[in-house]
Amino acid sequence: IAMTQSPSSLSASVGDRVTITCRAGQAIDNYLNWYQQKPGKAPQLLISAASSLQSGVPLRFRGSGSGAEFTLTIDTLQPEDSATYYCQQSYTIPTFGQGTKLEIK
Amino acid sequence: EVQLVESGGGLVRPGGSLRLSCRASGFTSSNYGMSWVRQAPGQGLEWVSTISDNLYYAESVKGRFTISRDSSNNMLFLQMNSLRADDTAVYYCAKYQNTITSIFDHWGQGALVTVS
Repeated sequence: IAMTQSPSSLSASVGDRVTITCRAGQAIDNYLNWYQQKPGKAPQLLISAASSLQSGVPLRFRGSGSGAEFTLTIDTLQPEDSATYYCQQSYTIPTFGQGTKLEIK
Repeated sequence: EVQLVESGGGLVRPGGSLRLSCRASGFTSSNYGMSWVRQAPGQGLEWVSTISDNLYYAESVKGRFTISRDSSNNMLFLQMNSLRADDTAVYYCAKYQNTITSIFDHWGQGALVTVS
């Protein structure tokens, strides 16, 4: 199942709200996960099952959606949120989106 | 504390072989699905293989790579044969959140494989 993220990159300021969209090539119910990856580091699971925040992840991260369209929202952007974000479907053999690089101005 | 530590990466000629290892600690790896996910330089994440209720492979590595595990030593392996330049990547060992659903809740630090 192809996963398409938009935008591929974005730049925002501290305190902004940002939204990243992920579209699946077919309906995947809520089998959608979000990861954050910082340069030189392994990815970290942020959200599973479309909206379930992982333990220890700040509450400013929110996931929503079902079927084929999903969003990751970061409220009140912080400097440490600068990273690349990936969506991944776990409905079938796993596939990842191409990533969204978030830069903090 | 869950930890995954990969080893075995390195430089290999095209057509050569390499075996990656992943040592798991803090949990019993045989109770969970385990995967290899790779990332080519400057590129995104690509799932490679999973061992859970069965063995699964990406089309790009099928017939060349073999995933296995040693439950007694809590180890995961990836035997890579007939390596090609486009296999060059950081290879991550990743743990499923449960037995069969591919939610990767823990990752290793990665092992760099360079085919050149």
